[in-house]
Amino acid sequence: QKEVEQNSGPLSVPEGAIASLNCTYSDRGSQSFFWYRQYSGKSPELIMFIYSNGDKEDGRFTAQLNKASQYVSLLIRDSQPSDSATYLCAVDTGGGNKLTFGTGTQLKVEL
Amino acid sequence: DAGVTQSPTHLIKTRGQQVTLRCSPKSGHDTVSWYQQALGQGPQFIFQYYEEEERQRGNFPDRFSGHQFPNYSSELNVNALLLGDSALYLCASSTQQVLETQYFGPGTRLLVL
Repeated sequence: QKEVEQNSGPLSVPEGAIASLNCTYSDRGSQSFFWYRQYSGKSPELIMFIYSNGDKEDGRFTAQLNKASQYVSLLIRDSQPSDSATYLCAVDTGGGNKLTFGTGTQLKVEL
Repeated sequence: DAGVTQSPTHLIKTRGQQVTLRCSPKSGHDTVSWYQQALGQGPQFIFQYYEEEERQRGNFPDRFSGHQFPNYSSELNVNALLLGDSALYLCASSTQQVLETQYFGPGTRLLVL
């Protein structure tokens, strides 16, 4: 069983809409959760990380964590074509930022 | 302020050969982690170096080894290359105080023939 699971997509949303990306994880002891964005042919860029249950907002991005359900999500408000990329969910499964990544969800924002 | 740099950008090797990849962390960073990303997959954690020691290791065989130098730069060595080692190798740097804020380099794309 994969430790971090994401729907590979592609997820298509119209420009200006809210994109919702989801991730589940298997290790109940995980403490830190991350979202990275990766454009085609480029390296991952950190969007944000979250530790506590609930929501954490940064600009157009909101991360949501539910440890009881082992579920973390990323909402992107007012989606733009420049948001089209693969979004990687990562979980610190060993402490000390030893990250386990999902396979990523491809997001396409259409004009 | 230079970000994370890696060399070389691309590399072609044959099975059984050995390869060394290099990484210079972002200025002010003291911790370097290495990841392997196969096509269509997420990055997989190889190991992490701090104070010139391997602090954490992922599920990779001993053929994968590394080193960190006093200036915090790092090398990844892979011996006895297999076809399955073909991937993008990513280096990421951070500080021990804020490990979560990790910056990735552009990567080295390795092709094993």
